[in-house]
Amino acid sequence: NAGVTQTPKFRILKIGQSMTLQCTQDMNHNYMYWYRQDPGMGLKLIYYSVGAGITDKGEVPNGYNVSRSTTEDFPLRLELAAPSQTSVYFCASSYLGQGVYGYTFGSGTRLTVV
Amino acid sequence: DAKTTQPNSMESNEEEPVHLPCNHSTISGTDYIHWYRQLPSQGPEYVIHGLTSNVNNRMASLAIAEDRKSSTLILHRATLRDAAVYYCILRDGNNAGKSTFGDGTTLTVKP
Repeated sequence: NAGVTQTPKFRILKIGQSMTLQCTQDMNHNYMYWYRQDPGMGLKLIYYSVGAGITDKGEVPNGYNVSRSTTEDFPLRLELAAPSQTSVYFCASSYLGQGVYGYTFGSGTRLTVV
Repeated sequence: DAKTTQPNSMESNEEEPVHLPCNHSTISGTDYIHWYRQLPSQGPEYVIHGLTSNVNNRMASLAIAEDRKSSTLILHRATLRDAAVYYCILRDGNNAGKSTFGDGTTLTVKP
């Protein structure tokens, strides 16, 4: 069981470039989330999805886009990279949203924008 | 979203118990209390969760106050591998399970 897989693990982007961070889970979880973590800080929610075809904004969505065409995949798109998007990005999943279910996190993508 | 408050840092000696506190005075009746830990350069890892009663698992114990406004994660015998950032969060099933992660408590374990 792979759990939540994120690719790539590291990436350096130039200002204005675009990229997609990939996230896939093999646990048949319905809910998926994208968080970012700046150095020494906690995690901030970017976007989340409660099922295929349904996405919604978190607390810091500006500069990002998501899609959820399948239960397994939840890619995060950066259209015009800016230095403020330098961060570590974590994808997480949960069977459902109720509090009885926990999150499973991926190992993260470390992104640097120069 | 209901918020949690944790001390920024704590220290412990190896093989001694550690009690990590968390305040969540605005917790609602449907919120579950979850604890996660994050080792350096890794994603957060689930530790334990509970609603009203104290909980035990192979990793830790969770003690929940009777009024549910605070909780304590207990590591019975700290090891060097327990050095991590510990996050206490609330999961609200009425809000798509969105949770706010604060800055957590950085636990240092001394040999």
